[in-house]
Amino acid sequence: KNQVEQSPQSLIILEGKNCTLQCNYTVSPFSNLRWYKQDTGRGPVSLTIMTFSENTKSNGRYTATLDADTKQSSLHITASQLSDSASYICVVSGGTASKLTFGTGTRLQVTL
Amino acid sequence: DAGVIQSPRHEVTEMGQEVTLRCKPISGHDYLFWYRQTMMRGLELLIYFNNNVPIDDSGMPEDRFSAKMPNASFSTLKIQPSEPRDSAVYFCASSLQINTEAFFGQGTRLTVV
Repeated sequence: KNQVEQSPQSLIILEGKNCTLQCNYTVSPFSNLRWYKQDTGRGPVSLTIMTFSENTKSNGRYTATLDADTKQSSLHITASQLSDSASYICVVSGGTASKLTFGTGTRLQVTL
Repeated sequence: DAGVIQSPRHEVTEMGQEVTLRCKPISGHDYLFWYRQTMMRGLELLIYFNNNVPIDDSGMPEDRFSAKMPNASFSTLKIQPSEPRDSAVYFCASSLQINTEAFFGQGTRLTVV
């Protein structure tokens, strides 16, 4: 069964600190892996899309890694800001949109 | 472009009533997706269209749900009759290609009482 597991479920960190969110998947076949940021009350916004051949991809203070062999991905946030407070959703594509498998997300709260 | 536009932002309706959610995708995007998000189940893909044609509706929960895309700039998701368990946030998204970045609308928060 295709599954995407994210950890931790929730996380509280101090402003300025770094953090890493994890995503493990069992989706097969694999096409790409996406990380989305969703602010409260808003739609998800894409942070990165990674294909099989990509190991690391950065978007500002966000860096995603992908290990296709172990089927693991991580999202690293550097020097967190209050505006990083959101849910982060990992989505794995199995080749067509109908094969999208969603994680339940990690709720991140950045505090002063 | 103003992005994906959904209406209404909020909808409260009584059980048994018909509900219609609307979406205007980003101009030039060939793919349109309808999603539902709940606390319990997270984001779920309901249906998607390619060039106005429904491609996969396997995520539509039951016959009470229907979606149309009469032209490239407009789509509707209809629930008839609505039930309390349909309460959720419904998102519309569009993308250029099937596996490129999908842009989401602000969502419609539906409450069925």
